[in-house]
Amino acid sequence: EVQLVESGGGLVQPGGSLRLSCAASGFIFRSYWMHWVRQAPGKGLEWVSRINSDGSSTTYADSVKGRFTISRDNAKNTLYLQVNRLRTEDTAVYYCARVTGADRFDAWGQGILVTVSS
Amino acid sequence: DIQMTQSPSSLSASVGDRVTITCRASQSISKYLNWYQKVGKAPKLLIYDTTNLQSGVPSRFSGSGFGTDFTLIISSLQPEDFATYYCQQSYSPPYTFGQGTKLEIK
Repeated sequence: EVQLVESGGGLVQPGGSLRLSCAASGFIFRSYWMHWVRQAPGKGLEWVSRINSDGSSTTYADSVKGRFTISRDNAKNTLYLQVNRLRTEDTAVYYCARVTGADRFDAWGQGILVTVSS
Repeated sequence: DIQMTQSPSSLSASVGDRVTITCRASQSISKYLNWYQKVGKAPKLLIYDTTNLQSGVPSRFSGSGFGTDFTLIISSLQPEDFATYYCQQSYSPPYTFGQGTKLEIK
C-alpha cells in the first residue's frame, strides 16, 4: 500500500523556519517525481514545489521561491521541504504528493499543519 | 500562470441527482486536466487527462473537454460523494488548481 506521512509542522513565528518531512513507503520512491501542495485555512489547494526523481531538478511557485527548498533522500525514502523566512500567509496544511503520468497527483499524504503567528 | 476557474463554487443536490461541475482554463491546456475529491484530509484523484477514471473510482464519475473547457459529471449522486471537488491543470508549472466546488446535501 502506498503511504506518505508528513511530519515536522507546528507553530512558528514570522521569519522563522521549519523542515517538513514526508516518509514514503509501499512504492519505489526513487522512481517518482514528488511535489508539495498546500491549503490555507478556508482556501483552495495551492501547488508549492516539485522535485524530479533523482533530486537534480526543482521548481517552485513564485510565492515561495527563494524561501522554500525542496529536497529528497532516496536512501531514506523521504521528501523534504525546508521553509524559511515564514510569513503569516504561509499558514496552511502542507501535503506531499506523488505524481505519475502527466503530473497527476495519484497519492497524497494526510497533511501537516504549519501555523505562522506571533 | 494558467488560471483555472471552476463553477459553481457551491452546489446543493440530492442523492440520485446528476451533477455537472465545470472548469475553465485561461489558455489551452490540451487534455491535461485532472479532478480531485476532498473529504476531510487528503485529496483523492478521480479523473486524469480529462477523461480517464483513476483505478477504483466508481463509473458514475466521468469527465470531458479539451483545450480550455472541461466538465466533471457525477451521474447519480451517492451519499459519499458530498465533498469538495477541485480541477487541476498539469500542462505546465505552476500546476494551478481551481478554487473548488463544494457539493452539499439538499
